[in-house]
Amino acid sequence: QKEVEQNSGPLSVPEGAIASLNCTYSDRVSQSFFWYRQYSGKSPELIMSIYSNGDKEDGRFTAQLNKASQYVSLLIRDSQPSDSATYLCAVSDNFNKFYFGSGTKLNVKP
Amino acid sequence: DVKVTQSSRYLVKRTGEKVFLECVQDMDHENMFWYRQDPGLGLRLIYFSYDVKMKEKGDIPEGYSVSREKKERFSLILESASTNQTSMYLCASSLDGPHLGEQYFGPGTRLTVT
Repeated sequence: QKEVEQNSGPLSVPEGAIASLNCTYSDRVSQSFFWYRQYSGKSPELIMSIYSNGDKEDGRFTAQLNKASQYVSLLIRDSQPSDSATYLCAVSDNFNKFYFGSGTKLNVKP
Repeated sequence: DVKVTQSSRYLVKRTGEKVFLECVQDMDHENMFWYRQDPGLGLRLIYFSYDVKMKEKGDIPEGYSVSREKKERFSLILESASTNQTSMYLCASSLDGPHLGEQYFGPGTRLTVT
């Protein structure tokens, strides 16, 4: 079992819709959770961090964390073609363990 | 603004050569990382360093070594390059504690070994 699981996709959504990206993790000591965006041919870029249960909003992005279910998600509202990228989920124990998922490819169709 | 730079964007080397990849960060981050990324395999950690002269093996350290003599600089060394080391190499840095997973990546070095 991988430490961080993501559906590889591609996830296709029409422009203006809500894109929902999901991630599960196996290590219960994980304390911090992150979402990265990676455009094709580019390096990953951190877009959201979340540390406590619940929702965290930043512009069109909302990260949701449920530690009991070991589940973290990213919602993108009003999806734009420029959001088309691979989204990586990452978790950390704040000490010396951190894991990246393999990513979900998102396609936003005009 | 955090800046992580890597010495080369593209590199072509011959089998058996010793290869040095350099990474520099300007934000006084404690942690530095080397990853390789291959299609379908995601990001795989080669080594990370949590302090000067300190290092930890990642998932795939075989065939690689690292050096961190100064806080801002982390080097990846391919002792004897092989064709299966053809890949995109990414360097990253982060602060400690809850920021361990807040990693800032360099632009990457695409290495081809022929």
